Amino acid sequence: QSVLTQPPSVSGAPGQRVIISCTESSSNVGATYDVHWYQQLPERAPKLLIYSNRNRPSGVPDRFSGSRSGTSASLTITALLPEDEGDYYCQSYDSSTESRVFGGGTRLTVL
Amino acid sequence: QVYLQESGPGVVKPSETLSLSCTVSGDSIGTYFWTWIRQPPGKGLEWIGYMSQSGSYMYNPSFRSRLTLSMDRSNNQFSLRLKSVTAADTAMYFCARPQAGRADAFDVWGQGTMVTVTS
Repeated sequence: QSVLTQPPSVSGAPGQRVIISCTESSSNVGATYDVHWYQQLPERAPKLLIYSNRNRPSGVPDRFSGSRSGTSASLTITALLPEDEGDYYCQSYDSSTESRVFGGGTRLTVL
Repeated sequence: QVYLQESGPGVVKPSETLSLSCTVSGDSIGTYFWTWIRQPPGKGLEWIGYMSQSGSYMYNPSFRSRLTLSMDRSNNQFSLRLKSVTAADTAMYFCARPQAGRADAFDVWGQGTMVTVTS
């Protein structure tokens, strides 16, 4: 069972906004660790989309934004494009195992 | 521009040892926590572990008894050895570089190399 829980799938029409959540389990209670987000398009390596909860690397469009509240983080994608279709992963740190961990991933479908 | 390129056998027999290398170009292998991540077919990402030039390392407890990470500074490469593989080790294996000064937020990835464990 992942320390980070994501919904298996989300969908939206072109131009709409979607939000993907990432909830930390109780093993990390009492500490806050940065959450990072990755986009993995079909047959491609993952790409860093958001780091340290809300920061965009150079070159990532501002349609992608991240936020954090307590034990939950969220990735918001506005003005959906067909090319946004793919898998999105959150990633953080699990203090109980001293490991970096990924959420189970969320498949975004652009209708 | 930094590039990472994984290399290794595409097929490994059960109970044998999987060996992969990642060649770094465009940057020195020093100062970063070079990382391996894998992805079984149709599944999510799994962090395997990292090693740095200073010799510090951290392994995912799930692999600790079977895993060895190493570095070849002269060839700007880092490597993975995973012993006693089973079909569950069939996956795409990625090498990745985290942001400077940290062990995650992976901003450079190799294209991945597919490894199938089969007799």
